Amino acid sequence: AQSVTQPDIHITVSEGASLELRCNYSYGATPYLFWYVQSPGQGLQLLLKYFSGDTQVQGIKGFEAEFKRSQSSFNLRKPSVHWSDAAEYFCAEGRNTGGFKTIFGAGTRLFVKA
Amino acid sequence: EPEVTQTPSHQVTQMGQEVILRCVPISNHLYFYWYRQILGQKVEFLVSFYNNEISEKSEIFDDQFSVERPDGSNFTLKIRSTKLEDSAMYFCASSEGGPGGPNYGYTFGSGTRLTVV
Repeated sequence: AQSVTQPDIHITVSEGASLELRCNYSYGATPYLFWYVQSPGQGLQLLLKYFSGDTQVQGIKGFEAEFKRSQSSFNLRKPSVHWSDAAEYFCAEGRNTGGFKTIFGAGTRLFVKA
Repeated sequence: EPEVTQTPSHQVTQMGQEVILRCVPISNHLYFYWYRQILGQKVEFLVSFYNNEISEKSEIFDDQFSVERPDGSNFTLKIRSTKLEDSAMYFCASSEGGPGGPNYGYTFGSGTRLTVV
């Protein structure tokens, strides 16, 4: 079954430190992969997406991600975290199965300490 | 920047009552979706809609649920007889393109918090 795994329920990093949020997808063919961010009480905002081509993807707010087919991973990174980055981050995989849907991971909550 | 608009932001309803959640997708988008998020849990797919028909639905989307695009701008989710477990945040999303295309990627609304009492 199609699934997205985010192994870390929550992560705490210091402001200014680097960040990596892990994501593994299960679909074997070329996946459509996304990272979304959700601030408390808000909707989800698209950070970046990968469909094909360059495996390093640049997104908004200084985020980037790398697609690694050999590891079925699509990890999100940021070189230097700001306090405003504290939020819930969702990895997602889209697929055309005759219909269209996107499956979300369980999310990783990011805490930023001063 | 174009937005997906959802109304109301909060709705409280009694168990067994019908509710209609409303969404106005971005005007040039062609693909529409409803998701829900029970408090503290993951975002769950409910239904996708394209070309005036449902293209896919999840096992959650049973006969109590229906969607409609009545006038070319609104996209509604109706829950016919609400249950306590329907309490959740409901998100509408739209996408200009379909999977794999250059314009594939959701824009989400801010959600409607539905509380069933």
